Amino acid sequence: NAGVTQTPKFRVLKTGQSMTLLCAQDMNHEYMYWYRQDPGMGLRLIHYSVGEGTTAKGEVPDGYNVSRLKKQNFLLGLESAAPSQTSVYFCASALPWGTGQEKLFFGSGTQLSVL
Amino acid sequence: SQQGEEDPQALSIQEGENATMNCSYKTSINNLQWYRQNSGRGLVHLILIRSNEREKHSGRLRVTLDTSKKSSSLLITASRAADTASYFCATDAGNTGKLIFGQGTTLQVKP
Repeated sequence: NAGVTQTPKFRVLKTGQSMTLLCAQDMNHEYMYWYRQDPGMGLRLIHYSVGEGTTAKGEVPDGYNVSRLKKQNFLLGLESAAPSQTSVYFCASALPWGTGQEKLFFGSGTQLSVL
Repeated sequence: SQQGEEDPQALSIQEGENATMNCSYKTSINNLQWYRQNSGRGLVHLILIRSNEREKHSGRLRVTLDTSKKSSSLLITASRAADTASYFCATDAGNTGKLIFGQGTTLQVKP
């Protein structure tokens, strides 16, 4: 049981390049999230999904797109990377709220640097 | 904007001492959660307290919630060097699991 797996773990991009971060969970969770973590800022929600085929914007969605084509996968895309997107990105998953198990399970993060 | 603000930003104590960190938030919530993050790792859920609860315990952890003051505190008793980590509060105001995290408290426990 791997939990939440993020790939890649590290990536360096040049300004204007594109890339996709992959998150996979094997816990059959309905909910999935992408957060970014910057020094002194805590975690900020980028996008989230409450089920296969559905996505919604979080606090800081600009410059990012997401897709949830399969229940177990949640992809985060950067179409044209900017230095301001240098950050650590965390994926998380959860059971539906109201089940008594309202907590997030996190991956180990992706360190992204945009030069 | 961040929902939660944590205090202190950093805390350094000796092994065996108690550690207290506080979280304040701005809007009404359904529940408040605490997470722990070891250096270079993802966050791990510690404890959840619902808006109708005032205190909750889990092992060496004690969480209190004062909804009238919109604040919570996390107490770690008899701290150990292995408790060295960053601790984050997260508030939940809806039903989609959209947790809003504070900036965190960095705890160092010296052996």
